[in-house]
Amino acid sequence: QKEVEQNSGPLSVPEGAIASLNCTYSDRGSQSFFWYRQYSGKSPELIMFIYSNGDKEDGRFTAQLNKASQYVSLLIRDSQPSDSATYLCAVNADSGTALIFGKGTTLSVSS
Amino acid sequence: DGGITQSPKYLFRKEGQNVTLSCEQNLNHDAMYWYRQDPGQGLRLIYYSQIVNDFQKGDIAEGYSVSREKKESFPLTVTSAQKNPTAFYLCASHKQGADEQFFGPGTRLTVL
Repeated sequence: QKEVEQNSGPLSVPEGAIASLNCTYSDRGSQSFFWYRQYSGKSPELIMFIYSNGDKEDGRFTAQLNKASQYVSLLIRDSQPSDSATYLCAVNADSGTALIFGKGTTLSVSS
Repeated sequence: DGGITQSPKYLFRKEGQNVTLSCEQNLNHDAMYWYRQDPGQGLRLIYYSQIVNDFQKGDIAEGYSVSREKKESFPLTVTSAQKNPTAFYLCASHKQGADEQFFGPGTRLTVL
């Protein structure tokens, strides 16, 4: 059974701080890794994806991947109240197959 | 204006009824997916289709059926055999050669 694990939270950070969201996966053959943001009552929105070990930056967001540890993380710098949402980690083992999602981490940014 | 549309946004069903959820995309994406999300839970795969006239069961296909007669459309029928159908249903798609999936706005189904 391929699994993706996330701490459900809530993770609470003050405005302007760095939020760190973590995810582990069980299938060592996983190739692609995704972070989605989901506001309450809405559908998931793709934030970032990463394929290679290391860091990938996009604005205030940085995705980090460590395949040896089967660990992927998302850092949000200068957190804003509008970042308050549930963040879903997803992986897939082969191109073109369905994603496997974690249950999500709820982030709360207080002003 | 390209995207994925789902209808209706809200749907109420009486016990014993079949209902069909619509998913349409004009992104020219090859693969389409149906997920179910329960409160506080992640997304669970119901069915997916990588090409027209072909589809595969996901992890929780029992009580659901799909068709893929056109590339743009992937309707999901929730049958009376699905014992706990109340959930948020999400349709997604992606283009061949790309991995990232994009989601429609979802349909919230409630059984009365």
